Amino acid sequence: GAGVSQSPSNKVTEKGKDVELRCDPISGHTALYWYRQRLGQGLEFLIYFQGNSAPDKSGLPSDRFSAERTGESVSTLTIQRTQQEDSAVYLCASSPARAAGGETQYFGPGTRLLVL
Amino acid sequence: GENVEQHPSTLSVQEGDSAVIKCTYSDSASNYFPWYKQELGKGPQLIIDIRSNVGEKKDQRIAVTLNKTAKHFSLHITETQPEDSAVYFCAALTNTGNQFYFGTGTSLTVIP
Repeated sequence: GAGVSQSPSNKVTEKGKDVELRCDPISGHTALYWYRQRLGQGLEFLIYFQGNSAPDKSGLPSDRFSAERTGESVSTLTIQRTQQEDSAVYLCASSPARAAGGETQYFGPGTRLLVL
Repeated sequence: GENVEQHPSTLSVQEGDSAVIKCTYSDSASNYFPWYKQELGKGPQLIIDIRSNVGEKKDQRIAVTLNKTAKHFSLHITETQPEDSAVYFCAALTNTGNQFYFGTGTSLTVIP
C-alpha cells in the first residue's frame, strides 16, 4: 500500500517568506509526527497529533512554527518569516493507534528546505 | 525528560564483519526502542525494535539487545554487506509520553 508522502520534496525560499509543508499519512494511522533534521544530525521532535486529541506542541522551536491536522488525514507544517537556521529536512511520520504494537513509526521521504 | 546517547558516531567495517552500535537512555519509564536505517536522501526506515519485556530480538542478520538495569540497548549487524552502509538511529519512547527521543546517529560504512 501507499506509504507516507510529503510535498514538496524540495523547497528553496528567501529569508522572511512563509512556507507550507504537507504530509499525507498512511490511511488509518491515527498518530502523526513532525521532525526536523539538520544536516548530519539526529531527529528533533516538533509536534505530535493523535486522533482528535489536542496536539503535543512541546517541540516547536518558536511561534513562527505551527502545524495543523484535519481529523486523521493530511497535516501541514507552516513556518512563518523563515530564517536561514530553518534550513533542514522536515520529516513526517505516522503510526497506528497507540496500543501494544502500535508505536511503529513510518516515515515519509522528507521535505528539504533551504532558506537563502 | 529522556536523554538518548548513541555511539559511535562513525563506524567502518570490512564486508563480512560484524557491526555493533550502542545507545543508552536515562528514563526508566522508556519501554519501546526502535532502530532506524536512513539512506542518503531518504526518510528513516524501521529495521528492528524491542520492547522492555524482552532482552533480545533477532531478524536474520540483525539483532537488538536490551539491558533494562543498565539502561542500554545495542544493534548488532552480522555478515555486513555494502548495502548496509547508511546512517542508523536508535530511539526510545516512554510508556506515557508522546515523544520519541532519538540518538544522534551512527554513519556505518561497509568496505567491500
